[in-house]
Amino acid sequence: DQQVKQNSPSLSVQEGRISILNCDYTNSMFDYFLWYKKYPAEGPTFLISISSIKDKNEDGRFTVFLNKSAKHLSLHIVPSQPGDSAVYFCAAKGSGSARQLTFGSGTQLTVLP
Amino acid sequence: NAGVTQTPKFQVLKTGQSMTLQCAQDMNHNSMYWYRQDPGMGLRLIYYSASEGTTDKGEVPNGYNVSRLNKREFSLRLESAAPSQTSVYFCASCPGLASNEQFFGPGTRLTVL
Repeated sequence: DQQVKQNSPSLSVQEGRISILNCDYTNSMFDYFLWYKKYPAEGPTFLISISSIKDKNEDGRFTVFLNKSAKHLSLHIVPSQPGDSAVYFCAAKGSGSARQLTFGSGTQLTVLP
Repeated sequence: NAGVTQTPKFQVLKTGQSMTLQCAQDMNHNSMYWYRQDPGMGLRLIYYSASEGTTDKGEVPNGYNVSRLNKREFSLRLESAAPSQTSVYFCASCPGLASNEQFFGPGTRLTVL
Protein backbone atom coordinates (compact mmCIF):
# COMPACT_ATOMS: atom_id res chain seq x y z
CA ASP A 1 0.00 0.00 0.00
CA GLN A 2 1.50 3.32 -1.09
CA GLN A 3 1.99 5.64 1.86
CA VAL A 4 2.79 8.63 -0.35
CA LYS A 5 0.66 9.21 -3.43
CA GLN A 6 0.93 11.57 -6.34
CA ASN A 7 -2.28 10.97 -8.24
CA SER A 8 -1.46 13.09 -11.28
CA PRO A 9 1.16 11.42 -13.49
CA SER A 10 1.42 14.53 -15.65
CA LEU A 11 0.61 18.24 -15.70
CA SER A 12 0.95 20.84 -18.46
CA VAL A 13 0.91 24.58 -17.82
CA GLN A 14 1.61 27.68 -19.84
CA GLU A 15 4.81 29.62 -19.21
CA GLY A 16 4.22 32.39 -16.67
CA ARG A 17 1.22 30.68 -15.07
CA ILE A 18 1.10 28.83 -11.76
CA SER A 19 1.93 25.13 -11.50
CA ILE A 20 0.35 23.21 -8.61
CA LEU A 21 1.59 19.72 -7.86
CA ASN A 22 -0.22 17.64 -5.25
CA CYS A 23 0.75 14.88 -2.87
CA ASP A 24 -1.24 12.86 -0.32
CA TYR A 25 0.07 10.65 2.47
CA THR A 26 -1.47 8.13 4.82
CA ASN A 27 1.08 7.73 7.62
CA SER A 28 0.48 10.28 10.39
CA MET A 29 3.97 9.53 11.79
CA PHE A 30 5.67 11.34 8.90
CA ASP A 31 7.28 14.46 10.35
CA TYR A 32 9.09 16.05 7.41
CA PHE A 33 8.29 16.41 3.74
CA LEU A 34 10.49 17.15 0.76
CA TRP A 35 10.09 17.86 -2.94
CA TYR A 36 12.67 16.66 -5.43
CA LYS A 37 13.04 17.56 -9.08
CA LYS A 38 14.41 15.11 -11.64
CA TYR A 39 15.60 15.70 -15.19
CA PRO A 40 16.04 12.74 -17.58
CA ALA A 41 19.24 10.73 -17.08
CA GLU A 42 20.08 12.62 -13.88
CA GLY A 43 19.59 11.93 -10.20
CA PRO A 44 16.86 13.72 -8.24
CA THR A 45 17.83 17.09 -6.77
CA PHE A 46 16.37 18.62 -3.65
CA LEU A 47 13.98 21.51 -4.23
CA ILE A 48 12.19 22.51 -1.02
CA SER A 49 11.01 20.98 2.24
CA ILE A 50 8.65 21.55 5.14
CA SER A 51 8.49 20.35 8.71
CA SER A 52 5.21 18.96 10.02
CA ILE A 53 5.06 21.79 12.56
CA LYS A 54 4.66 24.36 9.77
CA ASP A 55 1.98 24.86 7.15
CA LYS A 56 3.93 26.84 4.57
CA ASN A 57 7.48 27.26 3.37
CA GLU A 58 8.57 29.57 0.59
CA ASP A 59 11.79 29.74 -1.43
CA GLY A 60 11.75 32.13 -4.36
CA ARG A 61 9.27 30.90 -6.96
CA PHE A 62 8.57 27.72 -4.99
CA THR A 63 6.13 27.38 -2.10
CA VAL A 64 5.11 24.21 -0.31
CA PHE A 65 1.86 24.03 1.66
CA LEU A 66 1.08 21.36 4.23
CA ASN A 67 -2.42 20.49 5.45
CA LYS A 68 -1.90 17.98 8.23
CA SER A 69 -5.56 17.35 8.92
CA ALA A 70 -6.08 16.38 5.28
CA LYS A 71 -2.68 14.65 5.03
CA HIS A 72 -2.04 16.67 1.92
CA LEU A 73 0.78 18.82 0.62
CA SER A 74 1.19 20.82 -2.53
CA LEU A 75 4.01 22.53 -4.40
CA HIS A 76 3.27 25.86 -6.10
CA ILE A 77 5.60 27.22 -8.77
CA VAL A 78 4.98 30.84 -9.73
CA PRO A 79 5.70 31.89 -12.40
CA SER A 80 6.37 28.64 -14.23
CA GLN A 81 9.30 28.58 -16.65
CA PRO A 82 10.18 26.10 -19.44
CA GLY A 83 13.25 25.04 -17.42
CA ASP A 84 10.90 23.80 -14.71
CA SER A 85 9.82 20.96 -17.01
CA ALA A 86 10.87 17.83 -15.10
CA VAL A 87 9.50 15.02 -12.94
CA TYR A 88 8.65 16.16 -9.41
CA PHE A 89 8.72 13.67 -6.54
CA CYS A 90 7.13 14.20 -3.17
CA ALA A 91 8.91 12.43 -0.28
CA ALA A 92 8.14 11.95 3.39
CA LYS A 93 10.41 11.16 6.32
CA GLY A 94 9.38 8.89 9.17
CA SER A 95 10.72 8.83 12.68
CA GLY A 96 13.59 6.42 11.96
CA SER A 97 17.03 7.62 12.97
CA ALA A 98 18.43 6.92 9.50
CA ARG A 99 16.09 9.48 7.94
CA GLN A 100 14.63 7.05 5.44
CA LEU A 101 12.40 8.67 2.85
CA THR A 102 9.23 7.29 1.26
CA PHE A 103 8.67 8.64 -2.25
CA GLY A 104 5.58 9.21 -4.34
CA SER A 105 5.43 8.00 -7.93
CA GLY A 106 6.16 11.43 -9.40
CA THR A 107 4.42 14.00 -11.59
CA GLN A 108 5.80 14.99 -15.00
CA LEU A 109 5.47 18.77 -15.31
CA THR A 110 5.63 20.29 -18.78
CA VAL A 111 5.78 24.07 -19.05
CA LEU A 112 4.77 25.21 -22.52
CA PRO A 113 6.42 28.32 -23.96
CA ASN B 1 33.45 18.30 -4.57
CA ALA B 2 32.11 15.57 -6.84
CA GLY B 3 29.16 14.90 -4.50
CA VAL B 4 27.76 11.38 -4.98
CA THR B 5 29.32 9.31 -7.75
CA GLN B 6 28.10 5.98 -9.11
CA THR B 7 29.74 3.43 -11.39
CA PRO B 8 28.97 2.09 -13.88
CA LYS B 9 26.46 4.37 -15.65
CA PHE B 10 25.05 1.52 -17.75
CA GLN B 11 25.21 -2.26 -17.48
CA VAL B 12 23.66 -5.20 -19.30
CA LEU B 13 23.65 -8.58 -17.58
CA LYS B 14 22.36 -12.02 -18.42
CA THR B 15 20.06 -13.78 -15.99
CA GLY B 16 22.10 -15.42 -13.25
CA GLN B 17 25.16 -13.17 -13.57
CA SER B 18 26.41 -11.18 -10.61
CA MET B 19 27.65 -7.64 -10.33
CA THR B 20 28.39 -4.87 -7.85
CA LEU B 21 27.23 -1.28 -8.19
CA GLN B 22 29.62 1.18 -6.63
CA CYS B 23 28.75 4.41 -4.85
CA ALA B 24 30.99 6.98 -3.19
CA GLN B 25 30.39 10.37 -1.58
CA ASP B 26 32.94 13.03 -0.67
CA MET B 27 30.71 15.15 1.60
CA ASN B 28 31.55 13.32 4.85
CA HIS B 29 27.92 12.23 5.19
CA ASN B 30 26.95 9.68 7.80
CA SER B 31 24.02 7.97 6.09
CA MET B 32 23.84 6.34 2.66
CA TYR B 33 21.00 4.71 0.71
CA TRP B 34 20.28 2.60 -2.35
CA TYR B 35 17.03 3.08 -4.31
CA ARG B 36 15.58 1.63 -7.45
CA GLN B 37 13.31 3.57 -9.77
CA ASP B 38 10.78 1.77 -11.93
CA PRO B 39 8.21 3.40 -14.25
CA GLY B 40 5.15 4.63 -12.35
CA MET B 41 6.54 3.57 -8.97
CA GLY B 42 8.79 6.37 -7.82
CA LEU B 43 11.93 5.51 -5.89
CA ARG B 44 11.86 2.52 -3.58
CA LEU B 45 14.42 2.00 -0.84
CA ILE B 46 16.46 -1.20 -1.17
CA TYR B 47 18.98 -0.90 1.68
CA TYR B 48 20.39 1.87 3.80
CA SER B 49 23.28 2.52 6.13
CA ALA B 50 22.59 4.94 8.97
CA SER B 51 26.28 5.18 9.79
CA GLU B 52 29.58 3.49 9.02
CA GLY B 53 29.42 -0.13 10.12
CA THR B 54 25.64 -0.52 10.01
CA THR B 55 23.27 -1.61 7.24
CA ASP B 56 19.52 -2.28 7.23
CA LYS B 57 16.87 -3.51 4.83
CA GLY B 58 14.53 -1.10 3.15
CA GLU B 59 11.27 -1.72 1.34
CA VAL B 60 12.56 -4.06 -1.43
CA PRO B 61 15.76 -5.84 -0.25
CA ASN B 62 15.22 -9.30 -1.77
CA GLY B 63 17.92 -10.31 -4.26
CA TYR B 64 20.39 -7.67 -3.06
CA ASN B 65 23.22 -7.32 -0.58
CA VAL B 66 25.15 -4.25 0.51
CA SER B 67 28.48 -3.35 2.05
CA ARG B 68 29.33 -0.10 3.79
CA LEU B 69 33.05 -0.34 3.06
CA ASN B 70 33.94 2.86 4.91
CA LYS B 71 32.30 6.22 5.51
CA ARG B 72 32.64 7.20 1.84
CA GLU B 73 31.60 4.02 0.02
CA PHE B 74 28.41 1.97 -0.08
CA SER B 75 28.13 -0.84 -2.63
CA LEU B 76 25.12 -2.83 -3.84
CA ARG B 77 25.56 -6.41 -5.01
CA LEU B 78 23.30 -8.55 -7.15
CA GLU B 79 24.38 -12.16 -6.59
CA SER B 80 22.20 -13.74 -9.29
CA ALA B 81 20.53 -11.14 -11.48
CA ALA B 82 16.92 -11.58 -12.60
CA PRO B 83 14.94 -9.70 -15.28
CA SER B 84 12.80 -8.21 -12.46
CA GLN B 85 15.92 -6.34 -11.35
CA THR B 86 16.00 -4.34 -14.57
CA SER B 87 15.77 -0.79 -13.25
CA VAL B 88 17.58 2.46 -12.65
CA TYR B 89 19.52 2.42 -9.39
CA PHE B 90 20.25 5.54 -7.39
CA CYS B 91 22.62 5.97 -4.49
CA ALA B 92 22.07 8.82 -2.03
CA SER B 93 23.71 10.23 1.07
CA CYS B 94 22.57 12.39 3.95
CA PRO B 95 24.60 14.29 6.54
CA GLY B 96 22.44 12.87 9.32
CA LEU B 97 22.17 14.78 12.60
CA ALA B 98 20.00 17.87 11.93
CA SER B 99 19.61 17.43 8.17
CA ASN B 100 16.91 15.47 6.35
CA GLU B 101 18.00 16.27 2.80
CA GLN B 102 19.38 13.40 0.73
CA PHE B 103 21.82 14.03 -2.10
CA PHE B 104 21.57 11.70 -5.07
CA GLY B 105 24.05 10.29 -7.55
CA PRO B 106 23.40 10.26 -11.33
CA GLY B 107 22.15 6.66 -11.38
CA THR B 108 23.04 3.31 -12.95
CA ARG B 109 20.77 1.94 -15.65
CA LEU B 110 20.77 -1.86 -15.39
CA THR B 111 19.20 -4.25 -17.88
CA VAL B 112 18.95 -7.95 -17.11
CA LEU B 113 18.22 -10.15 -20.14
